[in-house]
Amino acid sequence: GAGVSQSPRYKVAKRGQDVALRCDPISGHVSLFWYQQALGQGPEFLTYFQNEAQLDKSGLPSDRFFAERPEGSVSTLKIQRTQQEDSAVYLCASSTGLAVYNEQFFGPGTRLTVL
Amino acid sequence: DAKTTQPPSMDCAEGRAANLPCNHSTISGNEYVYWYRQIHSQGPQYIIHGLKNNETNEMASLIITEDRKSSTLILPHATLRDTAVYYCIVPLPGNTPLVFGKGTRLSVIA
Repeated sequence: GAGVSQSPRYKVAKRGQDVALRCDPISGHVSLFWYQQALGQGPEFLTYFQNEAQLDKSGLPSDRFFAERPEGSVSTLKIQRTQQEDSAVYLCASSTGLAVYNEQFFGPGTRLTVL
Repeated sequence: DAKTTQPPSMDCAEGRAANLPCNHSTISGNEYVYWYRQIHSQGPQYIIHGLKNNETNEMASLIITEDRKSSTLILPHATLRDTAVYYCIVPLPGNTPLVFGKGTRLSVIA
């Protein structure tokens, strides 16, 4: 079966532009996570959805970051007025949402470069 | 999340066993130990998890000490494709975000 897919794989934006990053989770997966990975660092949590509900957005670095999952499947991470410090790989992960296990399946990421 | 401590890097000869240690001295009784790895330019990949018994799957073995304060991930016959950053994670119980830390960069050498 298909894994988690993300698009675009690479995005170059001029400072001040708005960008939208898409995540297609594994079909039927209830939970969806977004992470940000700066160069040379481990991924850091941004936000989390259970179906269409955004249960935790404590990791979003500023109000320029916005995420949605309106129908409980595909999710979009939007960054407004991009800044150079937003340059990173943005990873999406999905999981079944079962209470016991925490096996998350990751997509390949979107590498965002802000010039 | 319980804090984990891993060495920043390790080398292993191809074909030999790679033993990656992790300390998690503040782990609680109902918290699992998870291992993920990230190969260059890819997303993280789940490897294995355990609570208190040793676990084995097709990728690796996980040895957890009796007091659960440390664990070791074992790749029995490392190949060049196992070169990656390995993360030991102890998340809060349930379906919660992962806290990755810096991990151990494993280099498998021919």
